[in-house]
Amino acid sequence: KAGVTQTPRYLIKTRGQQVTLSCSPISGHRSVSWYQQTPGQGLQFLFEYFSETQRNKGNFPGRFSGRQFSNSRSEMNVSTLELGDSALYLCASSPFGTADQPQHFGDGTRLSIL
Amino acid sequence: AQKITQTQPGMFVQEKEAVTLDCTYDTSDPSYGLFWYKQPSSGEMIFLIYQGSYDQQNATEGRYSLNFQKARKSANLVISASQLGDSAMYFCAMREAGSSNTGKLIFGQGTTLQVKP
Repeated sequence: KAGVTQTPRYLIKTRGQQVTLSCSPISGHRSVSWYQQTPGQGLQFLFEYFSETQRNKGNFPGRFSGRQFSNSRSEMNVSTLELGDSALYLCASSPFGTADQPQHFGDGTRLSIL
Repeated sequence: AQKITQTQPGMFVQEKEAVTLDCTYDTSDPSYGLFWYKQPSSGEMIFLIYQGSYDQQNATEGRYSLNFQKARKSANLVISASQLGDSAMYFCAMREAGSSNTGKLIFGQGTTLQVKP
């Protein structure tokens, strides 16, 4: 069974630009969560999608948005990029997003803002 | 408030020895899940083991076991017979069952484990 696939692996952008990251979950998984990982703040939850609906959202500004498609693939968009957005962005999937189901992560997208 | 604390920023262990990584948590939700993940330097997060709050027995997965002490709110990871490939960052995480927490894992700050040959 294929794992969670995130593209691209690496991105370099400049301040003010926008970026879109993609995540394909494990086949059959309908819940997709996104996380930001930085050395200073650690791993922080961005949002979770299930059946094309955002069910939960972390404490991030509105510049961070996402969506999910009918095949459960998800995208995350960051607009008006800031230097502080440099991070590893991780996507994770699980069947239904319940507390007893482990989330399985992709390899992440490493975003660098110049 | 939900919180995960890992008090060991870094640890060393000799190859083939056992090591315990500490994790304490705070939650007011009686139903929750506890997870451990491994993150090698390459960045991917690898799921290791899961413990449910109502599970009576400690979880085990191969060389990994979880020492779950509910009253103390601790969920320590024990790695037996350490291997060089175990060198990585290890994260403890929690997911509360409440509807406002769907899909949301709370992570600790992590422990860097280095296995010495």
